[in-house]
Amino acid sequence: DAGVIQSPRHEVTEMGQEVTLRCKPISGHNSLFWYRQTMMRGLELLIYFNNNVPIDDSGMPEDRFSAKMPNASFSTLKIQPSEPRDSAVYFCASSRDRASYGYTFGSGTRLTVV
Amino acid sequence: SQQGEEDPQALSIQEGENATMNCSYKTSINNLQWYRQNSGRGLVHLILIRSNEREKHSGRLRVTLDTSKKSSSLLITASRAADTASYFCATDEGRDDKIIFGKGTRLHILP
Repeated sequence: DAGVIQSPRHEVTEMGQEVTLRCKPISGHNSLFWYRQTMMRGLELLIYFNNNVPIDDSGMPEDRFSAKMPNASFSTLKIQPSEPRDSAVYFCASSRDRASYGYTFGSGTRLTVV
Repeated sequence: SQQGEEDPQALSIQEGENATMNCSYKTSINNLQWYRQNSGRGLVHLILIRSNEREKHSGRLRVTLDTSKKSSSLLITASRAADTASYFCATDEGRDDKIIFGKGTRLHILP
């Protein structure tokens, strides 16, 4: 198994532009999580899906952020419009069964908004 | 939201020594997990301990859980340079649907 695959690895964009981050979870995992990591706030859970359905998006900072999971093998996190304070490393993780098992993390997308 | 809090925030030890990191949390849990993150990489799951377990081993790792004190410890024995990383604990807040991470302990193994 190739693990959780995220793309792109790095993204530099100008303020106001739309950014789309992508994630392919491990086959057979039915839960998918989007986290954001910064030095100031650590790892923040943004949103998670169970069986492709969004369960809890209370961590999404504001309406500029949206996430979708159209099928079991693909998810996107979109920021529109992007702002410099969105600069962070965004991680996608998947799990076999919510919090009962360990999560497998992707390598992350380092987003820089200038 | 509730998080585990790791202690210390940073730790430097000589190679070969044992490293101990602690985690405290606030609410009841179903399980507690420990993760490692090397610089510039994603988190790697190390070990999961359930609320009805008191101790668990995996190779050079030993995890303990004291639910009465709402605390856990991670012991790495015979540390190696490759153990240099940040270590995070994560708890499920008793909901069994998502885990919340602490801010981590930065461990540096000195040669």
